[in-house]
Amino acid sequence: EVQLLESGGGLVQPGGSLGLSCAASGFPFSTYAMTWVRQAPGKGLEWVSTISSSGGNTYYADSVKGRFTISRDTSKNTLFLQMNSLRAEDTAVYYCAKILAAAGTGRYYFDSWGQGALVTVSS
Amino acid sequence: DIQMTQSPSTLSASVGDRVTITCRASQSISSWLAWYQQKPGKAPKLLIYKSSSLESGVPSRFSGSGSGTEFTLTISSLQPDDFATYYCLQYDRYWTFGQGTKVEIK
Repeated sequence: EVQLLESGGGLVQPGGSLGLSCAASGFPFSTYAMTWVRQAPGKGLEWVSTISSSGGNTYYADSVKGRFTISRDTSKNTLFLQMNSLRAEDTAVYYCAKILAAAGTGRYYFDSWGQGALVTVSS
Repeated sequence: DIQMTQSPSTLSASVGDRVTITCRASQSISSWLAWYQQKPGKAPKLLIYKSSSLESGVPSRFSGSGSGTEFTLTISSLQPDDFATYYCLQYDRYWTFGQGTKVEIK
């Protein structure tokens, strides 16, 4: 059974930094791309960042580009999101999700999700 | 960027009703569309991928259709467990979610 467990959320002041982790189990972590999606309180889902299975390719939403960094440690089956220069509008529940590829098409969608970690940016 | 417009934003329905939710893309995305169900305080759950493919374990009352720019999610007979918020996701070029449709009890 796929399990994804986020940690590291909390309260941080505007301009501060915070790192999230997502511990993965139940599947061969090194062979799957992974992603972060966030949801502001009472709002919809927003894609944040994606990393390829090898870690060699990373992608970011314009809203976080230059401030957030996605990475992964295959030896620890863990996905990370380093968030710098945080703003009030970054307040959200952050979900990690496993990516499934539509074979041979170069198209990828999100199949399994963690339960989320709340990040609150406030003074 | 591809924009996704989902409608309606809220839908009031009764158990047993047939429910349809629409998602429109700002440009053609072929069939690269997924649907998710989310309940309060929970993570989204994948229902449909590639416009009409039912995820394993999802009840057959859920179905998806469409291609190009217009897509629908249909629940053939609404059940008590189906009251939730539904999101579409385009994955043709990067990823964009629709704004969500809350299905509430009438």
